[in-house]
This record gives sequence, C-alpha cells and structure tokens, in this order.
Amino acid sequence: DAKTTQPPSMDCAEGRAANLPCNHSTISGNEYVYWYRQIHSQGPQYIIHGLKNNETNEMASLIITEDRKSSTLILPHATLRDTAVYYCIVRVVGYGGATNKLIFGTGTLLAVQP
Amino acid sequence: SAVISQKPSRDICQRGTSLTIQCQVDSQVTMMFWYRQQPGQSLTLIATANQGSEATYESGFVIDKFPISRPNLTFSTLTVSNMSPEDSSIYLCSVSRGSNQPQHFGDGTRLSIL
Repeated sequence: DAKTTQPPSMDCAEGRAANLPCNHSTISGNEYVYWYRQIHSQGPQYIIHGLKNNETNEMASLIITEDRKSSTLILPHATLRDTAVYYCIVRVVGYGGATNKLIFGTGTLLAVQP
Repeated sequence: SAVISQKPSRDICQRGTSLTIQCQVDSQVTMMFWYRQQPGQSLTLIATANQGSEATYESGFVIDKFPISRPNLTFSTLTVSNMSPEDSSIYLCSVSRGSNQPQHFGDGTRLSIL
C-alpha cells in the first residue's frame, strides 16, 4: 500500500505558485520523498526528491517538514502545461531491486486554470 | 535522463492471443521495471527485469502470464500472454541507473483486448 496521503484534486491559477501537499506520517529514517507527475497520455515524469533538506531544481521546490511527516511540492509559476496528476512517493534508497520499486498512490490532479 | 522507447505505442488484440512489448534505452542502465496502469487507475509494478536472470515478480503477477526477458543492459521485453479484456491497460517500462537514482519512464503501450 502507498504510504502517502494526497488531496485528490487542486486548482491553481496560471502564473501563480502551485503548492501540493503530501502526508507521510509513517516515513522511516531511510526513506526518501519522491515526486512524479503524469500528464495525460504520457508516462510519469520525475520531478524531484529529498531526504530531509529542502531541495530545488529547474522544475520545482520540495519542502520537507522538520519531523519529515509531510512535504510540499511547489511549482513557482504554474502554466497550463503543468496540468497533470502529481504523485508523492516514499521510497527506501538502497541496494537491490526490491528497495527500488515505486508504489504509486492515487495522486493529486492539479488543474491549472487560465 | 535516459531516452526510453517502447514499441508498439498501442495495439488492439484479440482475446487468447499474446503480445510482446519492447523497451529500448539509449544507454546502459542498471535496473529496468515493468508497470501496468489500468483504465482510470494508478500504476502498479508488475516485475523487476533482471539482466541475465529471471525477473522478480510482485504479488499477483506470475511469469506464465507476463514473461519478461532482459538480454542486456539496454533492452527488455514484456509479453502479455493469453490476453483477455481484463488485460486492457497501459504497460510502462521504467529504468534507473542505480539504487540511489530516480526511475524514468517510457510513454507506455496502450493495449486494448477485444
């Protein structure tokens, strides 16, 4: 079972920041938080991941709370092309195939409005 | 990230037949995975394709139904055997360069069974 809880849907105005929350209250010390998104008719796209520090890349920022029980993905200036299902996944990073599988939940459908 | 090509991109098949889906990566990768996404659902891991050995299947998936090959570090196939309408799904290949690296996905194969 997925170890994360996300709202089923969110709206965001084009040009504004989109803040997508994720609860992972049972996260273990060696589990990372990963974010993917799936645009209609495409495979999931990797966005960002982190362990306990905040992370930023060219796509988004990831804010992880100090107790690591929740996180927020921030798209700083949402565009219509950011409309997608966003998945928050916790995953142990280690050696061997079994620790590398991704367990997808139902995600959040982000609808960016013009 | 790696460029992942899946063939065919879509197909319509008769029940009782089998279809082999190919996943080609433009560079060597350590890990390859196969997922299924049923209509309106999230992704479910079918198996991890191990180079030079038998695939590791997840609960609910068996080798007789979903035989997998991985002859080298850039190629894998998934066969959907003795298909029924319940097998109508999107089948996706993903790859990773290592245990601490994110998975990247192909755009999937849309399979419809009549």
